[in-house]
Amino acid sequence: SQQGEEDPQALSIQEGENATMNCSYKTSINNLQWYRQNSGRGLVHLILIRSNEREKHSGRLRVTLDTSKKSSSLLITASRAADTASYFCATYSLDYKLSFGAGTTVTVRA
Amino acid sequence: EAQVTQNPRYLITVTGKKLTVTCSQNMNHEYMSWYRQDPGLGLRQIYYSMNVEVTDKGDVPEGYKVSRKEKRNFPLILESPSPNQTSLYFCASSPGTEFYEQYFGPGTRLTVT
Repeated sequence: SQQGEEDPQALSIQEGENATMNCSYKTSINNLQWYRQNSGRGLVHLILIRSNEREKHSGRLRVTLDTSKKSSSLLITASRAADTASYFCATYSLDYKLSFGAGTTVTVRA
Repeated sequence: EAQVTQNPRYLITVTGKKLTVTCSQNMNHEYMSWYRQDPGLGLRQIYYSMNVEVTDKGDVPEGYKVSRKEKRNFPLILESPSPNQTSLYFCASSPGTEFYEQYFGPGTRLTVT
């Protein structure tokens, strides 16, 4: 079963705009990770946020985590064409299975 | 260069013909896993291994086998492939579990006719 679910499924924005996507999960977690996938390639790790953190930044990425709502958001600021990709959240279950959501596909228009 | 390699990258086969997709990592990682990716379903974990000789089922293990005889290798075996196993497969590794990022291979696109 999928632990994380992203919303929206797809997002189209103009270059320079911000992109926000959300992830909801079902069970308690110790951390939540975000990954990026460019067109059928392997996923690349973006950022990990621990359950005792509320917000984390990495370059143009900002991730928030609300454990009371079992949700996380990923914000990409000042988007570029190179940000066009699919974005996935991922969480571990207690038995160390790693579950990914279905992903949000982001298209950045020039 | 630190990497996860998969072979083959593309494979077209027929129903019932046994096949193996190899996965190898050169980072001395403990945790390795296999995923399949299908449109609209994201990545689903097939099997994972926390160390040599230790493997566990993920969410979709039916029709697949794995083995972990060496730390660096984690092959995925389809004993009798069926068309519903047509998918994009990824191998990944990490130093440990929860607080470590996964390093993904480039993917293997499998078509079973």
